[in-house]
Amino acid sequence: RKEVEQDPGPFNVPEGATVAFNCTYSNSASQSFFWYRQDCRKEPKLLMSVYSSGNEDGRFTAQLNRASQYISLLIRDSKLSDSATYLCVVNSGGFKTIFGAGTRLFVKA
Amino acid sequence: NAGVTQTPKFRVLKTGQSMTLLCAQDMNHEYMYWYRQDPGMGLRLIHYSVGEGTTAKGEVPDGYNVSRLKKQNFLLGLESAAPSQTSVYFCATSSGLMNTQYFGPGTRLTVL
Repeated sequence: RKEVEQDPGPFNVPEGATVAFNCTYSNSASQSFFWYRQDCRKEPKLLMSVYSSGNEDGRFTAQLNRASQYISLLIRDSKLSDSATYLCVVNSGGFKTIFGAGTRLFVKA
Repeated sequence: NAGVTQTPKFRVLKTGQSMTLLCAQDMNHEYMYWYRQDPGMGLRLIHYSVGEGTTAKGEVPDGYNVSRLKKQNFLLGLESAAPSQTSVYFCATSSGLMNTQYFGPGTRLTVL
């Protein structure tokens, strides 16, 4: 079993749609959680950190469920510019930062 | 500020050749990392450094060596390239081990 698992997609949605991604992690001792965004042939960039109480940044909402060991990302009112791969990232302490393989999103006009 | 830069951007090697990838940062971060990214897999940590003069092995260190002689630079070496090392290599930096990582633009390496 992978330490961080994501649905690879792709998710194809129309502009204005709401889309949700889930990510599960296997290490119950994991401490820090992030969502990164990676555009085609570009480097990953931090989208948002994920806090226990859940957090929102504009159209993006991240949730953490420690009991079930999953993280979610909700994107509301999708834009064409949201098309990218979204990486779930989990840190279990020290240098052990695990990147998921990513979920691809295509937003269509 | 340039942030994190990597050279070269692209390279094609023949099996058995050697090369060095350079990562440079102007963010004054202590921590630096080398990852490889392959299709269908997450980024995998090759080596990392917690400060000038220190390096440590990550998840997939075999076939690679690193050096951190200066705080701002982190070098990744391939002594004898193999086709299995065909990948995209990313360098990253952070101010702490559990903090946000900032990535360079990547190096696309093909080993024939």
